[in-house]
Amino acid sequence: DIVMTQSPDSLAVSLGERATIHCKSSQTVFYSSNNMNYLAWYQQKPGQPPRLLIYWASTRESGVPDRFSGSGSGTDFTLSINSLQAEDVAVYYCQQHYYLPWTFGQGTKVEIK
Amino acid sequence: QVQLQESGPGLVKPSQTLSLTCTVSGDSISRGDYYWSWIRQPPGMGLEWIGYIYYTGNTNYNPSLKSRVSISLDTSKNQFSLNLTSVTASDTAVYFCARAEDWGWIDRWGQGTLVSVSS
Repeated sequence: DIVMTQSPDSLAVSLGERATIHCKSSQTVFYSSNNMNYLAWYQQKPGQPPRLLIYWASTRESGVPDRFSGSGSGTDFTLSINSLQAEDVAVYYCQQHYYLPWTFGQGTKVEIK
Repeated sequence: QVQLQESGPGLVKPSQTLSLTCTVSGDSISRGDYYWSWIRQPPGMGLEWIGYIYYTGNTNYNPSLKSRVSISLDTSKNQFSLNLTSVTASDTAVYFCARAEDWGWIDRWGQGTLVSVSS
């Protein structure tokens, strides 16, 4: 299985500041035939299902605020939350959808400092 | 607006079979382009993909569960179902049904249902 490792496990950021979450895959999730990275990001608030934020590593899902952005390629990826808002407090997960079984990172908890 | 809703027992005894159904509204599971999926999350822990079924009936399962899991479709009711046999306490989790784009990202989730395995 592809192992997805996120860092840090948790972070506290002041309102209005940037939060940065890293995700590393144990194998590349870049497919050269279509030049795409098979990497998605989700946000999960307590008691709720995950919500898709980003797919193809950097494409924002419809309705997701533009303060959320994804970057990276191959095995190393980053989710950035610019100007953190109170409603962004959540656990964030990366997921590779290149290999079966699809696998998720362990999650990164974002809190307000 | 696509909605998914899980239903089934909240408590299952060890060694028995966990059975859940997902009812889909706002979309047809007979349409291509999507994989109808099950994902679970043990309390306080991360996400584990269980498997999916395509509208053709083709399935793919997580090898860690493959010997115990089956997913089926009921197109007449626009539902898909999960069966997990020989459950133990480690199968206690919130079970989500979800819709995955055929590229593999998961764009719609049910609210999830907690299934506890206990005698």
